[in-house]
Amino acid sequence: ETGVTQSPTHLIKTRGQQVTLRCSSQSGHNTVSWYQQALGQGPQFIFQYYREEENGRGNFPPRFSGLQFPNYSSELNVNALELDDSALYLCASRSASGNHEQYFGPGTRLTVT
Amino acid sequence: RKEVEQDPGPFNVPEGATVAFNCTYSNSASQSFFWYRQDCRKEPKLLMSVYSSGNEDGRFTAQLNRASQYISLLIRDSKLSDSATYLCVVAWMDSSYKLIFGSGTRLLVRP
Repeated sequence: ETGVTQSPTHLIKTRGQQVTLRCSSQSGHNTVSWYQQALGQGPQFIFQYYREEENGRGNFPPRFSGLQFPNYSSELNVNALELDDSALYLCASRSASGNHEQYFGPGTRLTVT
Repeated sequence: RKEVEQDPGPFNVPEGATVAFNCTYSNSASQSFFWYRQDCRKEPKLLMSVYSSGNEDGRFTAQLNRASQYISLLIRDSKLSDSATYLCVVAWMDSSYKLIFGSGTRLLVRP
């Protein structure tokens, strides 16, 4: 086990709703990244948080937002859900120093109907 | 052109076979390279980092060719439990740290 936890494990929402996903990083890891993985695709980078600030972002619209807390845990918020937002959402943590190896949580499977 | 490209497979091999996967990347400023393994409906798990000098971990050998911008993974003596999707991952830093995944190569090891 990596020590990265995510909640909830599964979630069903309807189009237009808002969702919040949560992640606790591995002990000693101060950087958290979020990924979206659609079926049959590799994970797509959403954004990264370090010291409670977003310091990297992929090609996702502003309705995808996040937070990082002083204990390094993190949230991903998605507003105005669309059907295409249905995917596995993965959180990964790493140390800001060292070899940049990331460790993933089990993911949250979001279904938008 | 995708930033990280992999042959999707599937590679269907018998137990005991040797199989190799390649991955190409487009950003010559890439700094770190990894192979992850992902089982069906599970999270990716780090298999190994890839170093310029090449590295080996048991039956797994990873190579990096910076000049040609490709990474390889060799699996010797394949086991049934090696059946999974193998994701090539490339990282670099510009204004921020970026980690880009390929779409993965599926491996099926048959008895």
